[in-house]
Amino acid sequence: QLQLQESGPGLVRPSETLSLTCTVSGGSINTDNLYWGWIRQPPGQGLEWIGSIYYSGSAYCNPSLKSRVTLSVDTSKNQFSLRLISVTAADTGVYYCARHVGGGIQKFDYWGQGTLVTVSS
Amino acid sequence: QTVVTQEPSFSVSPGGTVTLTCGLTSGSVSTSYYPSWYQQTPGQSPRTLIYSTNTRSSGVPDRFSGSILGNKAALTITGAQADDESDYYCMLYMGSGISVFGGGTKLTVL
Repeated sequence: QLQLQESGPGLVRPSETLSLTCTVSGGSINTDNLYWGWIRQPPGQGLEWIGSIYYSGSAYCNPSLKSRVTLSVDTSKNQFSLRLISVTAADTGVYYCARHVGGGIQKFDYWGQGTLVTVSS
Repeated sequence: QTVVTQEPSFSVSPGGTVTLTCGLTSGSVSTSYYPSWYQQTPGQSPRTLIYSTNTRSSGVPDRFSGSILGNKAALTITGAQADDESDYYCMLYMGSGISVFGGGTKLTVL
């Protein structure tokens, strides 16, 4: 059974960088037609797609966040990561990593449990 | 900028049928947007219900169905149960690698 687990600091200071890693177990990140994505959810609000990355390193990001987001993948560790620079309180929320099936399907089908990141001084 | 729209809230009686929709502020939703639907209860990760417009994910009861109705994607729950009370999100693929979630619908079963 595929499992994803987010890890990283739960508290980030304003203007600093948010860094999260997602560890994938029970399956390989090196799989054709599979992307690995990040989705966030501010408190009491809806889901927002942040971006998705392929094992080759090819990535797509939400245009509204693109200037601040870097996605990366480490196939040797079966992990992928998110960096979000210059954070503000508006970046507070639960961050999920998920498997993103691309191509002619386009779905997130396996989700991590989510990790709460609070931006505060 | 095109926004994905959903009803903010909806209510249904136990055993009743409800249809939630997913539209665009500009244009019509078609199968080319590969609509998918997710169910989320408080404190939990989203659960995938429907993908590629009308394909149920493994383990999803057949009382959940997806379709295109007019110019929107739709999620229909037939024979609603108490534990269907959740938030429901649609997601559309906009092309060029971009995915967008709708704002979500809070479904009450009462």
